[in-house]
Amino acid sequence: NAGVTQTPKFRVLKTGQSMTLLCAQDMNHEYMYWYRQDPGMGLRLIHYSVGEGTTAKGEVPDGYNVSRLKKQNFLLGLESAAPSQTSVYFCASSYRGNLAKNIQYFGAGTRLSVL
Amino acid sequence: QKEVEQDPGPLSVPEGAIVSLNCTYSNSAFQYFMWYRQYSRKGPELLMYTYSSGNKEDGRFTAQVDKSSKYISLFIRDSQPSDSATYLCAMMVANSGGSNYKLTFGKGTLLTVNP
Repeated sequence: NAGVTQTPKFRVLKTGQSMTLLCAQDMNHEYMYWYRQDPGMGLRLIHYSVGEGTTAKGEVPDGYNVSRLKKQNFLLGLESAAPSQTSVYFCASSYRGNLAKNIQYFGAGTRLSVL
Repeated sequence: QKEVEQDPGPLSVPEGAIVSLNCTYSNSAFQYFMWYRQYSRKGPELLMYTYSSGNKEDGRFTAQVDKSSKYISLFIRDSQPSDSATYLCAMMVANSGGSNYKLTFGKGTLLTVNP
C-alpha cells in the first residue's frame, strides 16, 4: 500500500518554463489537495478536489492549474513558472464521509526551484 | 489576526524532558483538532486527532483542547531524539453539508531533542 505518491521528487525550472506535478493515491479517497510549504508561511492550500472531475481554488491559487480526470490522480500545473513559485509542494488525500475519518494523508513532497 | 497562531520556535530540549507545544485560534467554528509531525524533508503525518475539549492520550503523547480559551496543546513525555521534528497543529470546520475538507494549519514548531 503506497498511500500518496508524488512525482517528481525534485525539479529545477527556468523562469517561464512549464511543468506538471503528479499526485497518485491508492486509498480510494474522494478528496485530494495541493499545498505549498514555504519557510515562515506554513502549509498553504493551492487547489483541492472533492471528487473526480471537480476542482476548486484554495488560499493561493494564482499561477497554478489543476485537473482531476481520474479519482486516483490529481495534477498540478505551472504554465509559466516564476521564482516566487520556488517551494516544496505537498499533495494530500482524504476520505469523504464520516468526519472522524476525514484525515488528510500526505505525500513526501516535490522540491521545486525556479531560477 | 490569523486564524491559527503557533510559535515557530525553535525549541531545543534535553532527552527525557517534557515538551509542551501550543496553538491558539480565533475561529470558534473549529471542531476538530489535529497534530501533525513532519520530519525533515518528509511529508506531514497525523500524530493526534481530537474532537472535544479535554485530554487525549496516546503513549507518550497527550493532546489537550480548551475550546473556551481557543487553545490547544501537545505534550510529549520522556522526549526522545527521534521526536525531533516540526510539529504542526491543524484545525477543521464541518461545513453545512456535513462533509469536510478544509484544514487550517499553524506554521509549525521545530523541536530538537538533544541526547
